[in-house]
Amino acid sequence: LAKTTQPISMDSYEGQEVNITCSHNNIATNDYITWYQQFPSQGPRFIIQGYKTKVTNEVASLFIPADRKSSTLSLPRVSLSDTAVYYCLVGGGNNDMRFGAGTRLTV
Amino acid sequence: NAGVTQTPKFRILKIGQSMTLQCTQDMNHNYMYWYRQDPGMGLKLIYYSVGAGITDKGEVPNGYNVSRSTTEDFPLRLELAAPSQTSVYFCASSPTLRGRDTQYFGPGTRLTVL
Repeated sequence: LAKTTQPISMDSYEGQEVNITCSHNNIATNDYITWYQQFPSQGPRFIIQGYKTKVTNEVASLFIPADRKSSTLSLPRVSLSDTAVYYCLVGGGNNDMRFGAGTRLTV
Repeated sequence: NAGVTQTPKFRILKIGQSMTLQCTQDMNHNYMYWYRQDPGMGLKLIYYSVGAGITDKGEVPNGYNVSRSTTEDFPLRLELAAPSQTSVYFCASSPTLRGRDTQYFGPGTRLTVL
């Protein structure tokens, strides 16, 4: 079971780029890295997923180094509406992914 | 598409009472999940299902039961409610394995056991 470690909280200002790093030292070969966003009183929402190198979509970018032992979620030009909890998950099967406490981002 | 819907939104139970949390998805997803989230914590998997008639335990299954008679519905049953089950419950679904695919979450059910 791949354990993940993220900062508990981060603060930023509107218009800045925010980078949240997740450590997952024992990631398995067939594991993917997935990030979710959760607003208060709502269910988590998928942001981005990747396996290696860089993935970009309309919301964020995900950077994964060659050893895959960490990953960085990058949110460009954050706004107040990006204030949320961000979860990093690592896994590839039904019962081998766990949500940690996440990173509470305050903009 | 409504996505994943959950009922009720809120519920207060007395210790020892029973109830069923309803979850329905209209995306024809094979995989469905139940999570609980305690205040300030991440989500913990209670049970999951890989298809109609097939369910399995997650990280914290004690005190709960599930069934999956159709692709769309995945109810969660609490038989003897205890204060430790006070939490927010989220249902989710995904088209394939959750590690490889997006999970779609419902709005949650806030349960209080007194």
